[in-house]
Amino acid sequence: EVQLVESGGGLVQPGRSLKLSCAASGFTFSNYGMHWIRQAPTKGLEWVASISPSGGSTYYRDSVKGRFTISRDNAKSTLYLQMDSLRSEDTATYYCATGGADWGQGVMVTVSS
Amino acid sequence: DVVLTQTPVSLSVTLGDQASISCRSSQSLVYSDGNTYLKWYLQKPGQSPQLLIYEVSNRFSGVPDRFIGSGSGTDFTLKISRVEPEDLGVYYCFQATHDPWTFGGGTKLELK
Repeated sequence: EVQLVESGGGLVQPGRSLKLSCAASGFTFSNYGMHWIRQAPTKGLEWVASISPSGGSTYYRDSVKGRFTISRDNAKSTLYLQMDSLRSEDTATYYCATGGADWGQGVMVTVSS
Repeated sequence: DVVLTQTPVSLSVTLGDQASISCRSSQSLVYSDGNTYLKWYLQKPGQSPQLLIYEVSNRFSGVPDRFIGSGSGTDFTLKISRVEPEDLGVYYCFQATHDPWTFGGGTKLELK
């Protein structure tokens, strides 16, 4: 059974950093591109970033380019999202996903002073 | 960026009714390989989105055949025949043909 478990969320002040993790199991992690998708409170879904199976290629939405870094450790079957210079508009539940049917349960990030 | 416009924003139905959701794209979603990377997800309250349909009309494993996806190019539709209680929630269309990937604004399916 595929499992994706996010962690690392919490309350952080504007301008500070946070690193999210997503532990994957139940499939060959290194074969799949992985993605972060977020959902602001009471809002819709928004794609944030993607990474290729090897980690050699990364993609970001414009509003997070230069502030967020997606990475992966295939030996640990773990996906990461380093979030720097956080803004209030980054407040959301962050989901990791395989790009198909598999999503984690989400982790909440609140950016507020 | 590709804009996906979903209508209606909310839909009130009686159990057993048919429901229809439209997703209109600002650009053709046909990729250079000939495939159309348009998916439909359902997000139930308090849950992560669950995949219903991929590549316009293919039902994901375990999805009942009352869910039917159709369309081409820029116009897509999700039809739900005989709505059941477990079908209630917010439906999103999603495209992965063009970067950045984008979602529609969502359609809330609720009971009348």
